[in-house]
Amino acid sequence: DGGITQSPKYLFRKEGQNVTLSCEQNLNHDAMYWYRQDPGQGLRLIYYSQIVNDFQKGDIAEGYSVSREKKESFPLTVTSAQKNPTAFYLCASSILFVGTDTQYFGPGTRLTVL
Amino acid sequence: DQQVKQNSPSLSVQEGRISILNCDYTNSMFDYFLWYKKYPAEGPTFLISISSIKDKNEDGRFTVFLNKSAKHLSLHIVPSQPGDSAVYFCAAQIKAAGNKLTFGGGTRVLVKP
Repeated sequence: DGGITQSPKYLFRKEGQNVTLSCEQNLNHDAMYWYRQDPGQGLRLIYYSQIVNDFQKGDIAEGYSVSREKKESFPLTVTSAQKNPTAFYLCASSILFVGTDTQYFGPGTRLTVL
Repeated sequence: DQQVKQNSPSLSVQEGRISILNCDYTNSMFDYFLWYKKYPAEGPTFLISISSIKDKNEDGRFTVFLNKSAKHLSLHIVPSQPGDSAVYFCAAQIKAAGNKLTFGGGTRVLVKP
């Protein structure tokens, strides 16, 4: 079954701890993205990557870090520098420069900082 | 500065009637627009899109209209069904700048049986 998986679905973190959210895709997509959704708000872009070993900051990258060592994987680390990390995190992927370049989303990870 | 806005946070409609969702944008460089549907605790799913060279795109019960001069697009759902109850996000893209999407804040639609 092709798709995007995110794990875990729910994650609790103590204040001051770093935490890594997993995102894997088997769609052979070139580009991957991380978004954050807060209650009653739209999705905001954190980081994106169009090719392995390369990534760019989105609109709200402060306090986050990513890596893209494999085409299939784009983990997001929420560091202790992120002031308000409690949110719903969504990973997406897309083919680049082909057709509509529609982004396909994973099921999300809800992070709660205690 | 919010470049994509959905000014109606919620919409309630009777089953079988039309749902009209609106979206305004400020960046005239946007040349591709998408609508996504999202259920609680799930990722958004792609619904329909439109290029800036068109003013209408239709897919079954879903039609998107684009008015470039007004920087406005709308999504029509006809007829509305209870399963359409979800949050709908409008998103915009500048194709030459890569695949980054800028999302609106979403409109929650409730279709009453």
